[in-house]
Amino acid sequence: DIQMTQSPSFLSATVGDRVTINCKASQNINKYLNWYQQKLGEAPKRLIYNTNSLQTGIPSRFSGSGSGTDYTLTISSLQPEDVATYFCLQHNSGPYTFGAGTKLELK
Amino acid sequence: QVNLLQSGAALVKPGASVKLSCKASGYTFTDYYIHWVKQSHGKSLEWIGYINPNSGYTNYNEKFKSKATLTVDKSTNTAYMELSRLTSEDSATYYCTSGYGRDWGQGVMVTVSS
Repeated sequence: DIQMTQSPSFLSATVGDRVTINCKASQNINKYLNWYQQKLGEAPKRLIYNTNSLQTGIPSRFSGSGSGTDYTLTISSLQPEDVATYFCLQHNSGPYTFGAGTKLELK
Repeated sequence: QVNLLQSGAALVKPGASVKLSCKASGYTFTDYYIHWVKQSHGKSLEWIGYINPNSGYTNYNEKFKSKATLTVDKSTNTAYMELSRLTSEDSATYYCTSGYGRDWGQGVMVTVSS
């Protein structure tokens, strides 16, 4: 199975900050990497698919990058509504696997 | 507008089975695989498997092969996941998702307790 190592586990930032979250795969996942946002009590919401494609309706302050084994989600200017837990998902090969999550809070 | 409507919360006894449903609307049901995902309380997500609604072909995470059975009813645009021989480790929220992970059901909480 492909292991997804996500970092950091917790992140405290100020409104307006640039925030980055990372996922490292245990092998090449060929850019088949999605990012999800999950708010308390809600289902995950897809933000980014296939590394850098922005889901329709998601603000442009969210972006994704990466290749090979290393991937990054960037929030260019943190907003209060971005408080949530973020997960990466590799769907290059089965079983699909998620990162452990990054809990983002406001400082 | 795509909607995946999941059945309500379930309280089941250890050793029993439960069948969860996921009713799709707003798109052609056979266009996308239905995937199922487990989220244990406050923890990360695990991919259980998927089913091709058109053919019924299934692909399971090895970890869930003896636990979960995925089926569909094309006549009602509904996907099902049956969980068998339930233990406390199966207590979790279960999601169905489609559209290559774009669309998600609201989740259903399963509690295994005597």
